[in-house]
Parts: sequence; structure tokens; C-alpha cells
Amino acid sequence: ETAVFQTPNYHVTQVGNEVSFNCKQTLGHDTMYWYKQDSKKLLKIMFSYNNKQLIVNETVPRRFSPQSSDKAHLNLRIKSVEPEDSAVYLCASSSNNERLFFGHGTKLSVL
Amino acid sequence: SQWGEENLQALSIQEGEDVTMNCSYKTYTTVVQWYRQKSGKGPAQLILIRSNEREKRSGRLRATLDTSSQSSSLSITGTLATDTAVYFCATDAESNYNVLYFGSGTKLTVEP
Repeated sequence: ETAVFQTPNYHVTQVGNEVSFNCKQTLGHDTMYWYKQDSKKLLKIMFSYNNKQLIVNETVPRRFSPQSSDKAHLNLRIKSVEPEDSAVYLCASSSNNERLFFGHGTKLSVL
Repeated sequence: SQWGEENLQALSIQEGEDVTMNCSYKTYTTVVQWYRQKSGKGPAQLILIRSNEREKRSGRLRATLDTSSQSSSLSITGTLATDTAVYFCATDAESNYNVLYFGSGTKLTVEP
């Protein structure tokens, strides 16, 4: 049963536009993550938030910014998208890093 | 990179066969986790094996861990068509135990 909810499921946009993706978890976890999955299925960590504080930023371009209002929500904003941003963005949460619970992902296509 | 293999591997087998998937990692880790990702879904954890364990079983799944060679394997016995998915191993890293790093994955197709 899904407990990490991502919206939208898909988003098509043009180069230079701004996009925002939402993520909410109902598991009561303290840590949330954003991963980027490319067309070869490679999963790369982008951000990790622990109780509203950023604890890792894996050299992500500055046009990406995570936004958290509380520990149950972690949104991702991309200011001025570029073609290489086309990917599936996966949100996850965990209580102790020993099990991550993922949402279904948001697929971004940049034309 | 945390991983020795950066390309998605692909395996195609018949239903009922057994399969073993391998991964190797570069740096010290406290746990290795295996995840399965079905089409259109996010990854879901299958099994976790700790650095002081050599083997862990869960139903048709068996995970092994060899810390000396920094490698892990996931075996599935009596595969079903519903096992078709991409399988990932994931580890934490000595420098950042708060983050899981995923390997490149194995795309397993089980033909009915």
C-alpha cells in the first residue's frame, strides 16, 4: 500500500520553464529524499531532508531546490529546466535509513 | 562512485528457473539492501543484510554478503512472471550513513 504520494505523475514542459513536484508521506518518518532516475534506470541521490533540515546535497545544479514545510512534505522545484533534466524523480522517506519507502515517481519530459 | 558496475544488466529467463544477481561495491558499508522496481512504480525493499551476516533468506529470496570482496548477491528460486522487474542493491557509505546509494541494477525478465 502506497504511503508516499507524489504529484504529478507526468509533466511535459519546455526548456527554460519552471516546474514543481510535490511529495507527501504518511508514515511519520523523519527523513525524506529526492532521487533522480535516468533512462538507464540509474538512481542518483539528489537531496536528503531530516526533520526539515537539508543534510545532503549531492552536487545538484543550483536550478534545483528542495522545499519542506514540515517533515511529512518535501517538494522539488526546478527553475529553468534543461533537456538533461528529463528523468523520473522519485521521492522516498525512511525512519532510520534501513528501509526506504518510495513514491511512484514523477516523469519529467523537457522538450 | 560507490559502485563497480555502472551499466544496467539484463537477464531473461523462463518461469520456474532460479536466478542470481550480483553487485559489488567500492567502500565500506554497514548494510546491503536489495530493492525491486516494477514498471511504473518506485523501488520496494526486498531484503536487508548486515555486514556481520553472510546470508539472509526471505521466502524465495536469498541474499549473501561477502565483505572481504565487497560483493553481494540476490538469488530467487522458482521464478514467476511477476518477478519481472529491475533489481537494485543499495548501500550506505562510510562518509554518509544517512543516504542510500543504489547500484546500476539488473533488469530481469521472466517469461511465462
